[in-house]
Amino acid sequence: ETGVTQTPRHLVMGMTNKKSLKCEQHLGHNAMYWYKQSAKKPLELMFVYSLEERVENNSVPSRFSPECPNSSHLFLHLHTLQPEDSALYLCASSQDPGALITGELFFGEGSRLTVL
Amino acid sequence: GENVEQHPSTLSVQEGDSAVIKCTYSDSASNYFPWYKQELGKGPQLIIDIRSNVGEKKDQRIAVTLNKTAKHFSLHITETQPEDSAVYFCAANQAGTALIFGKGTTLSVSS
Repeated sequence: ETGVTQTPRHLVMGMTNKKSLKCEQHLGHNAMYWYKQSAKKPLELMFVYSLEERVENNSVPSRFSPECPNSSHLFLHLHTLQPEDSALYLCASSQDPGALITGELFFGEGSRLTVL
Repeated sequence: GENVEQHPSTLSVQEGDSAVIKCTYSDSASNYFPWYKQELGKGPQLIIDIRSNVGEKKDQRIAVTLNKTAKHFSLHITETQPEDSAVYFCAANQAGTALIFGKGTTLSVSS
């Protein structure tokens, strides 16, 4: 079992669909993150959860809706997406309970999303 | 807020050569500078980091240097091997702020 597991690895959806990305961490960490990775762009932080409370929301459109039911699971609910939302969505976790503290992030392998 | 610039965007070297990737940052308050390696189909993985109270850190074939006055830091890989081929990201932040990443450098090591 790898440290941070993301499902599905690949997802194709139409603009009117509703889908969800799932992330599970087996490291006992207290903070979880969603990042967006687009070609030729830096990794963009979307959401941060620390001890299941959202502590950061970087002006992400409301068509992306995160959910953190417990410290091991993180979801990203997707609805009415646009083609420009096509990207690799990476989940990460860290040990620091306060989040946004300098320390190692452990990334999953990502969910490749294509919006038609 | 912090802004991180990374150069070059692509780098090709022969096996056994050295590779250097450079980053600059804008916020003088930043004090943590990690480097991540992302192999094809994988998520980024931390390979080395440095904090502002240290000027250089080394771990086997990789080293990172930091110049706080000039606000730049560099990754050095010596004796490169084909398995070093990947995308490398630098990042910077201070406690309480989000980690800001550079755009990445695609390193290709040919044998």
